[in-house]
Parts: sequence; structure tokens; C-alpha cells
Amino acid sequence: NAGVMQNPRHLVRRRGQEARLRCSPMKGHSHVYWYRQLPEEGLKFMVYLQKENIIDESGMPKERFSAEFPKEGPSILRIQQVVRGDSAAYFCASSPGTAINSPLHFGNGTRLTVT
Amino acid sequence: GQQVMQIPQYQHVQEGEDFTTYCNSSTTLSNIQWYKQRPGGHPVFLIQLVKSGEVKKQKRLTFQFGEAKKNSSLHITATQTTDVGTYFCAGGSGTYKYIFGTGTRLKVLA
Repeated sequence: NAGVMQNPRHLVRRRGQEARLRCSPMKGHSHVYWYRQLPEEGLKFMVYLQKENIIDESGMPKERFSAEFPKEGPSILRIQQVVRGDSAAYFCASSPGTAINSPLHFGNGTRLTVT
Repeated sequence: GQQVMQIPQYQHVQEGEDFTTYCNSSTTLSNIQWYKQRPGGHPVFLIQLVKSGEVKKQKRLTFQFGEAKKNSSLHITATQTTDVGTYFCAGGSGTYKYIFGTGTRLKVLA
């Protein structure tokens, strides 16, 4: 029973390039959350998606960041024109229902480094 | 907006000593979850508390939810080196969104 799969594990981008982070939720999970974590800091909520719908993107910067969770395929977090401040670990989590009733299952994260 | 603070931020203990981390929310919570993140790893769910004053135990770990449902604590008895990591609380406010605390980083000295 595969857990939440994120790839790539590490991603290096130069300033101005695009970063695409992928997340495949656990089997049977239709709710996906993206969190961002700076070194030695907590997890900051970015966006919550269900299949084909963005439910809450209040934690995501309005410019350069976008997320999707298509009917088929993984959830994608896309960062355009990356800047050094985007360097962080990005964690995806999934749950079978709304997280208020069930735990979040986290992937191993994608560690983005912007040079 | 809702804030969830944890203290202490860091804690170093000798192996065998006890450890406690405290979680405080600025608003009343519907429930609270606790996660552990090992260095270089990802958060792993430990437990969920729902009822006011609830206490749950997992071996050497004791979790408590305050009467007012605004604070929580995690206590580890007789720490071991395997307890090393960052412990996060995550407060739920009745919706799908959990606000994670700032975390307590535990180091256990052998």
C-alpha cells in the first residue's frame, strides 16, 4: 500500500526558471494539501484541493504559484519565475476525507533550491 | 487569524529524562492532532484529541487536550534516542484546514 509519493525529492532551479512539484496521494484519497516548510520552521498551509477543484488557496501567493489536481494524474504545484526566497521544502499530504476527521498522510517532500 | 504557538522551541535532554511540549491556540479548537518529524524526514501522524480534557497514552507518550480546548501538551516519559525529532501540534477549527504549531525540536543526549 504505497504512501503519498512526491517527486522529485530534490529540485535545483536557477532564478527565473519554473519549478513543477508532483504529488500522488495515497490510494483512495481524494483530498490533497500542500504545505511549505522553511529550515527549522513549522509547516505553512498553502492550498487544499479535491479532484478537479481548488477548495482553499488562501496560503498560496497569488503571483507565480498555482496548483491543480486533475481527474487523472498527480497533483501539481507549479512555481513560475522562481526566486531565492522560494527555496524550501514543499510537502504534500493527503486524506480520505476532510482532514478534520482523519489524519494527514505526508509525502517525503520536495526540497527546492533556487540558485 | 488563528495562531498556534508551541513552547519550548528547542529542548535538549539526557536520555532517560522526561520531556514536555506545550501547544497554545489563540482560538478555541474543535480538535488537535500531533505529528512527529524526524530530521530530514516528513511529518508522521501520532494522535488526534477531540474531547475537552481528553487524555490519551501511547506507550511512553501522554497527550492531553485542555478543558477550554485552546491548549494541549505532549509528555514523553524516560526519553530515548529514538525520540529525537520535531513535534508539531496542529489545531483544527471545524473546517478542513489545520494550522500547524511552530514545533518543538527535541534532542536526546545519550
